[in-house]
Amino acid sequence: QKEVEQNSGPLSVPEGAIASLNCTYSDRVSQSFFWYRQYSGKSPELIMSIYSNGDKEDGRFTAQLNKASQYVSLLIRDSQPSDSATYLCAVNGRGSTLGRLYFGRGTQLTVWP
Amino acid sequence: GAGVSQSPSNKVTEKGKDVELRCDPISGHTALYWYRQSLGQGLEFLIYFQGNSAPDKSGLPSDRFSAERTGGSVSTLTIQRTQQEDSAVYLCASSFQGGNEKLFFGSGTQLSVL
Repeated sequence: QKEVEQNSGPLSVPEGAIASLNCTYSDRVSQSFFWYRQYSGKSPELIMSIYSNGDKEDGRFTAQLNKASQYVSLLIRDSQPSDSATYLCAVNGRGSTLGRLYFGRGTQLTVWP
Repeated sequence: GAGVSQSPSNKVTEKGKDVELRCDPISGHTALYWYRQSLGQGLEFLIYFQGNSAPDKSGLPSDRFSAERTGGSVSTLTIQRTQQEDSAVYLCASSFQGGNEKLFFGSGTQLSVL
């Protein structure tokens, strides 16, 4: 199984700060990258997808992708207590494994008021 | 329905018993996935169905696990002779086409094997 690694947590930031979540992946041919948010006791929900090198911004969220370094990150600006959740990085396969999403273990984020 | 529906939401069983978990995907979604999430762990891929193609079963951890999808819609994950290490939340997800599509997850089945 392809390896998706996330920076160990938990991560704790004050309200209003920038939270930085990192993810590396082992399969050099991976093409699609996703960030899912999972609240405690709930199912994951997609918050960002990115397919090309560079930055992609959506509101307070910015995904960054560097395929050469096999690295993808998620920045949350102006963090809010409601952002407290586990963030899962997911990487898509290619070819025969195109349909699969491989998930990291997640980074638990706590935003304190 | 409006979302991915899974049943039961909780299942407690004794070691050695068989269990069946059900998933009803969003209408019109051709791709269906099963994942397993143990406490404090990420999502472990189990199996993937795409349309009428042969399923990708490569994530099933042992031959005690099997899954089928009838009529391109409802799926059942069966675990035979359950073991304590099978205890986890089993999540089903569907997407419109698979591949790069957004996954919609069900609320999961919490399986506890005593």
